Amino acid sequence: DIVMTQSPDSLAVSLGERASINCKSSQTVLSSSNNKNYLAWYQQKPGQPPKLLIYWASTRESGVPDRFSGSGSGTDFTLTISSLQAEDVAVYFCQQYNTTPMYSFGQGTKLEIK
Amino acid sequence: EVQLVESGGALVQPGGSLRLSCAASGFTFSSYAMSWVRQAPGKGLEWVSAISVSGGSTYFADSVKGRFTISRDNSKNTLYLQMNSLRAEDTAVYYCAKDGRNHIWAGYFDYWGQGTLVTVSS
Repeated sequence: DIVMTQSPDSLAVSLGERASINCKSSQTVLSSSNNKNYLAWYQQKPGQPPKLLIYWASTRESGVPDRFSGSGSGTDFTLTISSLQAEDVAVYFCQQYNTTPMYSFGQGTKLEIK
Repeated sequence: EVQLVESGGALVQPGGSLRLSCAASGFTFSSYAMSWVRQAPGKGLEWVSAISVSGGSTYFADSVKGRFTISRDNSKNTLYLQMNSLRAEDTAVYYCAKDGRNHIWAGYFDYWGQGTLVTVSS
């Protein structure tokens, strides 16, 4: 099984500043057949279901603001919010889908305003 | 507009059974794989089960294998999760989630329902 580990568990960033969340997988999620990283990021606000932000490690879902970006390859990935807005307060999860259709999520990172 | 509406959550005693439903609309349900993902109170996300577009292939997390079954009725645009031998650790909000690409497994979930709460307690 692929274990996903996020860091930090919580993060406080000032409005307008950059926020970065890391995700590390216990095995590579880079496919040698198509050179794609099978890694997604979700945002979950209180009382709401998760919302897809990023897939294939760096492809932004339609409608997601461009201040959100994903990077990384293999086993190490980062979600970056370039300029934190108040509405970005949420818990963020990474998910690997290299073992489709059996998946695993990171434990989540809680992002707050400093 | 894509909508996924779960129902069937309830308070059930340990060892009991429950059947969850997820009514889908706004997309061609029969063209997408579907999954159930759960979230225990205050905890993270745990993938539970997935089903192929035809329903012919099903997959389960080790934590529920042998106790849960997943099925779908493409004529009714509805996904199901039959949960048997329920345990306290199955207490969670259960979400149905739509796969991101049609006809082939994408693996990421582009739409989620609002969830239904299952509480296992005596």
